[in-house]
Amino acid sequence: AAGVIQSPRHLIKEKRETATLKCYPIPRHDTVYWYQQGPGQDPQFLISFYEKMQSDKGSIPDRFSAQQFSDYHSELNMSSLELGDSALYFCASSLGQHQPQHFGDGTRLSIL
Amino acid sequence: KQEVTQIPAALSVPEGENLVLNCSFTDSAIYNLQWFRQDPGKGLTSLLLIQSSQREQTSGRLNASLDKSSGRSTLYIAASQPGDSATYLCAVDPGNTGKLIFGQGTTLQVKP
Repeated sequence: AAGVIQSPRHLIKEKRETATLKCYPIPRHDTVYWYQQGPGQDPQFLISFYEKMQSDKGSIPDRFSAQQFSDYHSELNMSSLELGDSALYFCASSLGQHQPQHFGDGTRLSIL
Repeated sequence: KQEVTQIPAALSVPEGENLVLNCSFTDSAIYNLQWFRQDPGKGLTSLLLIQSSQREQTSGRLNASLDKSSGRSTLYIAASQPGDSATYLCAVDPGNTGKLIFGQGTTLQVKP
């Protein structure tokens, strides 16, 4: 069965650079969530989209932005990267809100 | 503000033992609760989802219960196996948009 695809799997950047993380949800899933998981921490909700509209926003810095495109894939754009942005970034998709969320394998972002 | 706590933080048991993982949440107004499994450096795999109106859900050797009024959920694993070794996370959907609030997880080691 198709799963959530995230790219790239690993990304190394330097401070003040920009990064774009991509998420391809399971076919027909219309809802996408982004989470950030720091080392040894639980995932923290960043932002979500339902039917290509932003539906909720969590502890997401103003330096980050995201959108969901017409084909339902989503991109998380991160600018002015800081050391503290080093984390595992997960995307999850679901068929509607309040349904089981299926997670991708994440993008590991390392800031040097 | 909803907070999710998992006890214990780590657990080591011999193979074949039955075990219980605990999850508590501070606000009983939840839409549903999910249990996930996370292997090191990997994404989250959904194990069970319990709607707020349900008392329990079962899948194979796993049984999850929910007592919404007391803010508690348990994940029961029967006849544990070394392959069950992983971090188990519970997460609550507080309603509205389906975003999840996670506990910090219980890291389980099942020794052969």
